[in-house]
Amino acid sequence: QVQLQESGPGLVKPSETLSLTCTVSGGAITSYYWSWIRHSPGKGLEWIGNIYYSGSTNYNPSLKSRVSISIDTSKNQFSLKLTSVTAADTAIYYCARAVGYNGSRNDYWGRGTLVTVSS
Amino acid sequence: DIQMTQSPSSVSASVGDTVTITCRASQRISSWLAWYQLKPGKAPKLLMYSTSVLQEGVPSRFSGSGSETDFTLTISSLQPDDFATYFCQQAYSFPHTFGQGTKLEMK
Repeated sequence: QVQLQESGPGLVKPSETLSLTCTVSGGAITSYYWSWIRHSPGKGLEWIGNIYYSGSTNYNPSLKSRVSISIDTSKNQFSLKLTSVTAADTAIYYCARAVGYNGSRNDYWGRGTLVTVSS
Repeated sequence: DIQMTQSPSSVSASVGDTVTITCRASQRISSWLAWYQLKPGKAPKLLMYSTSVLQEGVPSRFSGSGSETDFTLTISSLQPDDFATYFCQQAYSFPHTFGQGTKLEMK
């Protein structure tokens, strides 16, 4: 059974960089896309972006100037960096495995981690 | 970006009822639509993809239909475990946008 676990600071100061890691267990990280998605009360679910195991990425244009997703296949991990955060970036952040054409569906998810942006 | 509009935003129902949630895309997306179930503190769950393909392990009381711009998720014979929030997501083009969600509450 594939399992995903998000980790990283729960509190980030405004203007700083949010950094999260997702550790994948119970399956290989190769041959799939891997997604980051966030959920905030005001915005609902927002697709942040995904990365193929080869390293190619797709980002949400609304965040593209601030977001970076990377992957470390040797550690079975992938990561999210979001720069210059504001209170609007406060959300539960989920990582997920994405399968199908261009990662069209997210079939395994982590439980999510709450990140609050506040001084 | 393709905008996904769900309705209703919330619905109250009882165990045994049938509930239908609709999702409308701002442009044609063929059958590139998935449905997810969210519960607080739990990993979200993929219910359906390609509009009507049931994800492995999901009960057959969940069904999906539609094409191009108009889609529905129907939950028949509601069970206590079904009370949650449901989201649609299009995967026709990047970014893979979600609807705003439908909260299914117990009457």
